[in-house]
Amino acid sequence: AQSVTQLDSQVPVFEEAPVELRCNYSSSVSVYLFWYVQYPNQGLQLLLKYLSGSTLVESINGFEAEFNKSQTSFHLRKPSVHISDTAEYFCAVSAPTGSARQLTFGSGTQLTVLP
Amino acid sequence: EADIYQTPRYLVIGTGKKITLECSQTMGHDKMYWYQQDPGMELHLIHYSYGVNSTEKGDLSSESTVSRIRTEHFPLTLESARPSHTSQYLCASSDLFGSAEAFFGQGTRLTVV
Repeated sequence: AQSVTQLDSQVPVFEEAPVELRCNYSSSVSVYLFWYVQYPNQGLQLLLKYLSGSTLVESINGFEAEFNKSQTSFHLRKPSVHISDTAEYFCAVSAPTGSARQLTFGSGTQLTVLP
Repeated sequence: EADIYQTPRYLVIGTGKKITLECSQTMGHDKMYWYQQDPGMELHLIHYSYGVNSTEKGDLSSESTVSRIRTEHFPLTLESARPSHTSQYLCASSDLFGSAEAFFGQGTRLTVV
């Protein structure tokens, strides 16, 4: 069974500082990787995903994540955060289970951007 | 526009009442899910479905039940609400054989008093 570990439950950071949210997974087979963002009282929205090709993927609002197969990691980074980036971030892994794929979520990281 | 809808967004109800949380999607996805989430906490999978007439229990035991009579509709029912059921309930859907990328509704925040 696959598992996803988000090492930090809370990450406070000052506005305009860089941030990294860490994600490690345990599956040894072909994986797809996702980062979702959740604002208060909302559902989850897809931020970015890795399915194949370039190991560095980017979102439209300046976040990026790099798939590192040897480290089994998919850390999320942003060089300069804004107050509006304050939210809960979930890493997720999709791995084969029989003929289909199963999606597993990490426990989430609360990013709080301070003025 | 293809989307996934949950109603109601907020519900406050008394103990012992029967409630149904609605979830509908227009993306033609076969797989649908219900997650339970306390504020600021992780997601717990409580039910999922592979398609019409398929329902499975998730990782977290729940007193709720689900049904899947139509592909687009996946309602969740609590026969007798209790304060311990107070939580946010998130519905999601995905392709069965694709990447498994999940699309989420806005959630229903349930408060049982």
